[in-house]
Amino acid sequence: DADVTQTPRNRITKTGKRIMLECSQTKGHDRMYWYRQDPGLGLRLIYYSFDVKDINKGEISDGYSVSRQAQAKFSLSLESAIPNQTALYFCATSDLKRDTGELFFGEGSRLTVL
Amino acid sequence: GQNIDQPTEMTATEGAIVQINCTYQTSGFNGLFWYQQHAGEAPTFLSYNVLDGLEEKGRFSSFLSRSKGYSYLLLKELQMKDSASYLCASMDSNYQLIWGAGTKLIIKP
Repeated sequence: DADVTQTPRNRITKTGKRIMLECSQTKGHDRMYWYRQDPGLGLRLIYYSFDVKDINKGEISDGYSVSRQAQAKFSLSLESAIPNQTALYFCATSDLKRDTGELFFGEGSRLTVL
Repeated sequence: GQNIDQPTEMTATEGAIVQINCTYQTSGFNGLFWYQQHAGEAPTFLSYNVLDGLEEKGRFSSFLSRSKGYSYLLLKELQMKDSASYLCASMDSNYQLIWGAGTKLIIKP
């Protein structure tokens, strides 16, 4: 089983719909992140959380919200989806205690907004 | 502003050596990362450099020059399974990763 699990893996929805992407991890890491990836662009950080009570905006947080329900769970919501939110979304974790700050990624959630 | 530059695409031959370059400009610097990403899959960690010099790990090596804002990833004895995108990322003063768009490496037999 994957250490970082994302659901759903694929989703097609319509403009204006509310969408939630969920992420759970069994690595015991404190830090969790949501990124989006678009063709020709680098990974862009949407939100990140260093523990359950800590939520921070990334560079492209507009139109998104998050919830850190537990150390192991971090969900991303699109309150009213729009077509330019069509992208591949990745959840990632990192361990505060590791010097390298290496990220461990989930398998990705491909979202299409029509 | 913060910026990471790397070539969009490179082609190499199986068994050969390829060097993928990355230049970075970030607000502060706390290390340079390389990740590998196969098509449709998640990125996986390859290397981390925070000091100048070459770090070797099997067929893959990564080099860093902080004074030049430059890194490269060197892949030796290329195999078909090395066909992937290689992502360069710099960690800034806030310990946030700034990502390049990735270099798609095509390996030909």
